[in-house]
Amino acid sequence: GENVEQHPSTLSVQEGDSAVIKCTYSDSASNYFPWYKQELGKRPQLIIDIRSNVGEKKDQRIAVTLNKTAKHFSLHITETQPEDSAVYFCAASIGSGGYNKLIFGAGTRLAVHP
Amino acid sequence: NAGVTQTPKFQVLKTGQSMTLQCAQDMNHNSMYWYRQDPGMGLRLIYYSASEGTTDKGEVPNGYNVSRLNKREFSLRLESAAPSQTSVYFCASSATAEAFFGQGTRLTVV
Repeated sequence: GENVEQHPSTLSVQEGDSAVIKCTYSDSASNYFPWYKQELGKRPQLIIDIRSNVGEKKDQRIAVTLNKTAKHFSLHITETQPEDSAVYFCAASIGSGGYNKLIFGAGTRLAVHP
Repeated sequence: NAGVTQTPKFQVLKTGQSMTLQCAQDMNHNSMYWYRQDPGMGLRLIYYSASEGTTDKGEVPNGYNVSRLNKREFSLRLESAAPSQTSVYFCASSATAEAFFGQGTRLTVV
């Protein structure tokens, strides 16, 4: 089955710096790659996603890149702010017929220091 | 819209007790999922239901059973709770891509 590895497990940056989180996946059939943000005590919420037919996607300060050949994808956050502090999860799935069996990475705890 | 609603929010069980975690969604989603979250291990899929009437095992199904009662509701049952099942449990639902999560159930087995 699918396996997703995520690095680093913790990341500390200064406000205004960029943060990069990387994930690799094992199943070449995976075609959907979302990123979730989870604040302390809250539920995970989708922040950005990418499909296998796209190499890069941006949404304001966040961007995701996908390298299908190498089977890895990354989350980039620019101009970080204290409110970006949270745990970020990547996931991969083989979306089919309207359902996605998401397999998650172990998470990255991002701390943005003022 | 309430989205995905889980009950209860907190629960303490004694080893060997049984309980059912309830989940309901009002977004008319076909697919529903149960995950458990443990420190340093991310979200691990326990069971999922691709559509009403179907259920399948995920990554960590041992010790759990599920029921897709109807399109809205997907319950998770622990028949004989063990301390290793202490975790935060999240239910989620999806239509096409994005999975929407419930607020979670914090379960402690003593």
